[in-house]
Amino acid sequence: AQRVTQPEKLLSVFKGAPVELKCNYSYSGSPELFWYVQYSRQRLQLLLRHISRESIKGFTADLNKGETSFHLKKPFAQEEDSAMYYCALATPYTGRRALTFGSGTRLQVQP
Amino acid sequence: DSGVTQTPKHLITATGQRVTLRCSPRSGDLSVYWYQQSLDQGLQFLIQYYNGEERAKGNILERFSAQQFPDLHSELNLSSLELGDSALYFCASSVREGDGPYNEQFFGPGTRLTVL
Repeated sequence: AQRVTQPEKLLSVFKGAPVELKCNYSYSGSPELFWYVQYSRQRLQLLLRHISRESIKGFTADLNKGETSFHLKKPFAQEEDSAMYYCALATPYTGRRALTFGSGTRLQVQP
Repeated sequence: DSGVTQTPKHLITATGQRVTLRCSPRSGDLSVYWYQQSLDQGLQFLIQYYNGEERAKGNILERFSAQQFPDLHSELNLSSLELGDSALYFCASSVREGDGPYNEQFFGPGTRLTVL
């Protein structure tokens, strides 16, 4: 069965420091991976998806099939990045529909 | 607000009772997903509907059921409630059935269910 692991419940960094939120997955097929973010008192929203190879709000994530990882990185953290981050894998229930989420990592960026 | 809406925001009930959670997808979205977020299990996929038909099932208990109506809103019915059913229930919607990584799911604000 597919699984997404985010080993850190909490990651605390100072403003301007680099950030890396770890995500490892287990899945036998070709994965579709996403990062979702939930800011305080806001709903869960898509941050980025691996297929787009995009950078959103300075965040990037590279899919490493050899290490089965999809770590989220940002070179210089900002206070407004403080939020809950979830790594998610699209699961092929007869098509890539449902999302399997990791347990989430709370990022705290201190001034 | 043209985003996903969920009602009620909060629900407090007793064990053994039955509740119904409601979700209205974004305008134009045909697919609805239900997720449960609890402290010990994290965010888990429950069930998906597309244009009124069930498309995928996840870790949904037999005491739980859902449906999607012709106007595309969806309801999640939870019966014989137990303390462990206390959780945040999210609904998400997307335009298509979900094939392909570009089909983004948009989430509602959630319904917080407390079972006493």
